[in-house]
Amino acid sequence: DAKTTQPTSMDCAEGRAANLPCNHSTISGNEYVYWYRQIHSQGPQYIIHGLKNNETNEMASLIITEDRKSSTLILPHATLRDTAVYYCIVRVAMNRDDKIIFGKGTRLHILP
Amino acid sequence: GAVVSQHPSRVICKSGTSVKIECRSLDFQATTMFWYRQFPKQSLMLMATSNEGSKATYEQGVEKDKFLINHASLTLSTLTVTSAHPEDSSFYICSAPGGRSSYNSPLHFGNGTRLTVT
Repeated sequence: DAKTTQPTSMDCAEGRAANLPCNHSTISGNEYVYWYRQIHSQGPQYIIHGLKNNETNEMASLIITEDRKSSTLILPHATLRDTAVYYCIVRVAMNRDDKIIFGKGTRLHILP
Repeated sequence: GAVVSQHPSRVICKSGTSVKIECRSLDFQATTMFWYRQFPKQSLMLMATSNEGSKATYEQGVEKDKFLINHASLTLSTLTVTSAHPEDSSFYICSAPGGRSSYNSPLHFGNGTRLTVT
């Protein structure tokens, strides 16, 4: 079973920041938080990951609470192309051979 | 960056025939690859873990004789859907962990194969 819970869907106006929450209350000390998104009929795309510090890259920012039980993915200026299903995954490391289970994700709709 | 190539992107076949899907890691070696299936409006469901040089590990409920997996080399895994039926129509996605970078490098996904069985 997936170790994360996310809202089923969210709407965000184009140009505004999209904040996607994820709960991972049973996360272990050595597990990272990874975010992926899947645009319709494509394979999942890596966005960002972090352990306990906040992270930022060219796509998004990741805010992890101090107790690490939840996190928020922030798309700072959402565009229509950001419409996708966003998956939050917790895992020790992505390059291990352990299997990866996806939850249901959040379907993000960017509204023009 | 690391790339996983999946082929074909779309395939239509007749009921009873077999279809082979290839998954290649283009610039890194992958001793393990994962195969997922996705039905419309649902999440990815792990089918099996492909292991180079040994047998694949199948998830509960996935028929190993129907979904044949061969991990022939460190850069190629294949999934063959044997005696396909309309209920096998789905989006099949492969992925491979790691690459040249660090311990916690991302999992890389292919772009999927849309299988339609008529």
